[in-house]
Amino acid sequence: QSVLTQPPSVSAAPGQKVTISCSGSSSNIGNNYVSWYQQLPGTAPKLLIYENNKRPSGIPDRFSGSKSGTSATLGITGLQTGDEADYYCGTWDSSLSAGPVFGGGTKLTVL
Amino acid sequence: QVQLQESGPGLVKPSETLSLTCAVSGYSISSGYYWGWIRQPPGKGLEWIGSIYHSGSTYYNPSLKSRVTISVDTSKNQFSLKLSSVTAADTAVYYCARADLFCSGGSCFLRAFDYWGQGTLVTVSS
Repeated sequence: QSVLTQPPSVSAAPGQKVTISCSGSSSNIGNNYVSWYQQLPGTAPKLLIYENNKRPSGIPDRFSGSKSGTSATLGITGLQTGDEADYYCGTWDSSLSAGPVFGGGTKLTVL
Repeated sequence: QVQLQESGPGLVKPSETLSLTCAVSGYSISSGYYWGWIRQPPGKGLEWIGSIYHSGSTYYNPSLKSRVTISVDTSKNQFSLKLSSVTAADTAVYYCARADLFCSGGSCFLRAFDYWGQGTLVTVSS
């Protein structure tokens, strides 16, 4: 059971928009930054979003992040077949189990 | 460009110690940042193992703390993971990553794991 809750899967057609949610608590998302990672099949995770809503150099603006209270959302517009991947949210948890925590991951299918 | 590369045995026997090294290029570990290990069992999600600062300061996942040691060798610009008394449950792809983490006054804030190694599969089996 992951500390952060994500939907197991989402799907949408090419060109459409999709959002992936990440739900936590006041000990993690509520008081820390959220980052998002894309993991293409057979590859290492890649940073998409850091500090809730910032994109590293080279990440297209089709990817966006937001945070409100104890939840965060990753948005992807103009879906492409190459966006099919697993997406993970991450943050720091300041409870007794202090340290980085991740969501269980969301499998994005581009129909 | 910052690059990380894991190395170590791909097969470890039960009850033995798993040992991996992460070589860093394109950035000096001594310049800052935390450096960490994250694993992913086959078909499952990501689990943070622990992180280390160039000074040697460490954070470990409480669920693994009794079995984990992370060390850093700034002269070789690399850091290492040792996980003792392994079982089949420790079979996973192990990633090393740079953590953009800052801690002050007892609070820590993680911006992201911004650079990752390609990962190495470690299987625990006799």
